[in-house]
Amino acid sequence: GESVGLHLPTLSVQEGDNSIINCAYSNSASDYFIWYKQESGKGPQFIIDIRSNMDKRQGQRVTVLLNKTVKHLSLQIAATQPGDSAVYFCAENLGGYQKVTFGTGTKLQVIP
Amino acid sequence: NAGVTQTPKFQVLKTGQSMTLQCAQDMNHEYMSWYRQDPGMGLRLIHYSVGAGITDQGEVPNGYNVSRSTTEDFPLRLLSAAPSQTSVYFCASRSLSDTQYFGPGTRLTVL
Repeated sequence: GESVGLHLPTLSVQEGDNSIINCAYSNSASDYFIWYKQESGKGPQFIIDIRSNMDKRQGQRVTVLLNKTVKHLSLQIAATQPGDSAVYFCAENLGGYQKVTFGTGTKLQVIP
Repeated sequence: NAGVTQTPKFQVLKTGQSMTLQCAQDMNHEYMSWYRQDPGMGLRLIHYSVGAGITDQGEVPNGYNVSRSTTEDFPLRLLSAAPSQTSVYFCASRSLSDTQYFGPGTRLTVL
């Protein structure tokens, strides 16, 4: 079946470097994508979102890129900090506002 | 605002017991959802509600009931707990034009 997935389960990055977390999706009808950050023992926290009519969106230290041709989504974190250590989920919105399908997550480890 | 609150934080049940996980939000959000999160997996939608008195099933609804008598509260009931329901449960809410806000989670163990 169609699903949202992540390429790498764990990503280790040196503090100060940029991080790139990738996500593949297979439902061509998906038109809204979200990145969440989940710290240990906490609920997911919204980071940034993007609609399919855009290919790039920037926030504070984060950028999301969307390539609809290859159904690929990425989250870029600039100048990665220890506080960025967490699991990052991409998600796609299917079937209306309320139904969100999550990927399995990538664990980002920041090396001091 | 307290945001989305969940109680209890931890719970241990025996197989066959029933219980209710509480969820409340003070943001006047129309939409509320329940998810479960299992090790190495993404969150899966159990049930959701688009307003008071309206609920619908998500991806994994079996073994769970919900009701939405008020805008603020969205309890999740386990009718007869099974070990397969051992998981971390997250409640979330959102308005039509905003993103989802998640609660801190309830960690449930069924023996």
